[in-house]
Amino acid sequence: EVQLVESGGGLIQPGGSLRLSCAGTGFSVSNNYMSWVRLAPGKGLEWASGIYSDGSTYYGDSVKGRFTISRDKSKNTLSLQMNSLRVEDTAIYYCARVNNYGQFDDWGRGTLVTVSS
Amino acid sequence: SYELTQPLSVSVALGQTARITCERSNIGDKNVHWYQQKPGQAPVMVIFRDNNRPSGIPERFSGSNSGNTATLTISRAQAGDEADYYCQVWDTGLYVFGTGTKVTVL
Repeated sequence: EVQLVESGGGLIQPGGSLRLSCAGTGFSVSNNYMSWVRLAPGKGLEWASGIYSDGSTYYGDSVKGRFTISRDKSKNTLSLQMNSLRVEDTAIYYCARVNNYGQFDDWGRGTLVTVSS
Repeated sequence: SYELTQPLSVSVALGQTARITCERSNIGDKNVHWYQQKPGQAPVMVIFRDNNRPSGIPERFSGSNSGNTATLTISRAQAGDEADYYCQVWDTGLYVFGTGTKVTVL
């Protein structure tokens, strides 16, 4: 059974940094396309970043240049390094496995990031 | 910017049919997927590739996609169908979610 468990969220001041992790079980994180999707208060789902099995990475316009997605094959984990955080980055961050048709097959339960002074 | 437009809210009487639209020029050329999200829970896919149901999703959920509009249909609506619904497509390396629709069952 595929499972995704996020961790690393918390309260951080504007301008600060935070690193999220997503532990995968039941499949190989490195052999799949993986994504981070966020849900801000009162807003809709927003795709933030993705990494393909070949290592190529993609970012949404709102996080480009500030966030970095990566993975650790030995630990079977996905990470999101978030720098220069803004109040508007406050959201629940979900990690998800995406298949070849671009559909988000499996989701974690999310981790809450709050950016506030 | 790339946008998928959905109605903000849809209300449906218990046992009746709800239709949620997702609009963009030539969306019929794309694979459209739909997700249901209830408060405090992760999204769940209810339709993939326009009109396919994952295992465990009731037959009451169906989808269509043509021209400029994709549609999620919920037949015989139940109280448990109250949730936010999002369409989603992949296009040139980017993944886009619709603006989201809140479904209320009366």
